[in-house]
Amino acid sequence: DIVMTQSPDSLAVSLGERATINCKSSQSVLYSSNKKNYLAWYQQKPGQPPKLLIYWASTRESGVPDRFSGSGSGTDFTLTISSLQAEDVAVYYCHQFYSTPFTFGPGTKVDVK
Amino acid sequence: QVQLVQSGAEVKKPGASVKVSCKASGYTFTGYYIQWVRQAPGQGLEWMGWIDPKSGGTNYAQNFQGRVAMTRDTSIRTAYMELSRLTFDDTAVYYCASHCSATNCHNEGGYNWFDPWGQGTLVTVSS
Repeated sequence: DIVMTQSPDSLAVSLGERATINCKSSQSVLYSSNKKNYLAWYQQKPGQPPKLLIYWASTRESGVPDRFSGSGSGTDFTLTISSLQAEDVAVYYCHQFYSTPFTFGPGTKVDVK
Repeated sequence: QVQLVQSGAEVKKPGASVKVSCKASGYTFTGYYIQWVRQAPGQGLEWMGWIDPKSGGTNYAQNFQGRVAMTRDTSIRTAYMELSRLTFDDTAVYYCASHCSATNCHNEGGYNWFDPWGQGTLVTVSS
């Protein structure tokens, strides 16, 4: 199984400042034939299902504000919120869909300082 | 409008079974796999498995093998997840998800990001 880890567990950032979340997979999720990373990022607010933010590690889903960006390849990935807004307070999960069992990171809680 | 609508909350006793439904609308139901994910209170996301609505083929996570059954009824565009021999540790919100949203449909079998998601079904196991 591919184990996903995230760091930090939680972070508090001032409004307008940058938030950075790291995700690491225990093995590469880069598919050699199409050069795509099978890695997605989700945002989850209390009482709601996860919301897709990023897929293919760096492609922003339609409608997601451009302050959200994803980067990385292979086993190391980053989600960046360039200028934190109050509505970004949530838990963020990375997710590998490269191989079953699909696995998620443990989540990173983002709060306002 | 693409959406997945799940059945309502359930309360079950230990040892019982629960069956959660997930009704799809707004896209070709048989074109995209249905995934099932659960989330225990205050915890992270755990993948349970998928079903291919076209063939009925399934892929279950090892943790649930022998205890889970995923089925579908294409005539009513609905997928089902039944979990048996419930224990207190099965108390969780159960989500279905697929791979065809209003803005983006991607078909690589089950190997896709999850979007959209159902609203979730709370299953409480209590004596």
